[in-house]
Amino acid sequence: SQQGEEDPQALSIQEGENATMNCSYKTSINNLQWYRQNSGRGLVHLILIRSNEREKHSGRLRVTLDTSKKSSSLLITASRAADTASYFCATFAQKLVFGQGTRLTINP
Amino acid sequence: GAVVSQHPSRVICKSGTSVKIECRSLDFQATTMFWYRQFPKQSLMLMATSNEGSKATYEQGVEKDKFLINHASLTLSTLTVTSAHPEDSSFYICSESTGAATDTQYFGPGTRLTVL
Repeated sequence: SQQGEEDPQALSIQEGENATMNCSYKTSINNLQWYRQNSGRGLVHLILIRSNEREKHSGRLRVTLDTSKKSSSLLITASRAADTASYFCATFAQKLVFGQGTRLTINP
Repeated sequence: GAVVSQHPSRVICKSGTSVKIECRSLDFQATTMFWYRQFPKQSLMLMATSNEGSKATYEQGVEKDKFLINHASLTLSTLTVTSAHPEDSSFYICSESTGAATDTQYFGPGTRLTVL
């Protein structure tokens, strides 16, 4: 299975701290994407990083991709209470395959 | 990004009934649509992929006769859960893409189905 595995499964930090989530996968990919999902809601696309890219930034988000290790990380800097959500990585080859997700809680 | 709507946002039905969920593209023509299901505190699992005017391609383990998908136009796809049972209770999410770039998907807000 190409399904990504994420760790940690749950992460609780204080507001203002940085949050790092990791994703590993098993097979070759075209790109890797990160999504956010608030409880009981749809998915919000955060960032897409292609297989030939190593790092990408978007606002307070920083994503890295290491294709040799088949892993990616999502860093959220200066976290806010509104960042509380579940975060999923999704790998794309012929279809989008989601990881198990990390439930992030930002404590005020 | 594109705007995708789903209707209804939540539905409660009795066991044995059929439920139709609509997925609409509000501002672009969606060549390909995808249906996912998500159990509580779990990840999204792709159920099927459909292209406008053709039959849907179902993922392994998904019963095509139970989960009927119709993609009759470029702006509307429907998922009908037939003879629903409590184990079908889940969060169903659709997504759409344009052209050949199916890596760029726009997700709907999801439909919460509860079967009593």
